[in-house]
Amino acid sequence: QSVLTQPPSVSAAPGQKVTISCSGSSSNIGNNYVSWYQHLPGTAPKLLIYDNNERPSGIPDRFSGSKSGTSATLGITGLQTGDEADYYCGTWDSSLRLGVFGGGTKLTVL
Amino acid sequence: QLELQESGPGLVKPSETLSLTCTVSGGSISSNYYWGWIRQSPGKGLEWIGTMYYSGSADYNPSLKSRVTIHVDTSKNQFSLKLSSVTAVDTAVYFCARQRWITAYSGRVEYYFDNWGQGTLVIVSS
Repeated sequence: QSVLTQPPSVSAAPGQKVTISCSGSSSNIGNNYVSWYQHLPGTAPKLLIYDNNERPSGIPDRFSGSKSGTSATLGITGLQTGDEADYYCGTWDSSLRLGVFGGGTKLTVL
Repeated sequence: QLELQESGPGLVKPSETLSLTCTVSGGSISSNYYWGWIRQSPGKGLEWIGTMYYSGSADYNPSLKSRVTIHVDTSKNQFSLKLSSVTAVDTAVYFCARQRWITAYSGRVEYYFDNWGQGTLVIVSS
């Protein structure tokens, strides 16, 4: 069971917007920065968001991140079939002294 | 462009030691970054294994700490993972990654992996 909680799956139509939630506690999300990753099985995971809402160079502004209290959210607008992947949130847990990830959310673009 | 590539045996016998190497190209392992290992067991999420700075300081997942060693070889621009006394539960895809790990003045921790290898499947079986 993962320290961070994500919905197992989300879906939306091409061109629509979707959000993926990531819930934690004060020892992880509440007091540290959150990152988000996109993973297509068999490929290298890709960093989408770091420091809660910053995008690395090359990541389109269709991807956004936000944080409020002990929860974080990844938003994806203008959905494309190529966005179908597994998405993970991650952060540091200061109490467990452990890098932690969510269980992953499978995005289906219908 | 930075690239990371994992290599090592795809099959390890129970009770033996899993050994993997990550080769870094397109950048120096002696730069101001950390280098980490993460794994994904079949059907499960990501699990942090451990992280090392090129100077030798390391930190490990407490649940694996007694069995894990990470070593950096700056002369080869590589870092390695050794996991001893493996069992079937250690069967997973193992990823290496470059990592940012900074504690801000506020105490908040920046912790993320900005470049990953594509992963290598290691099966523990006799």
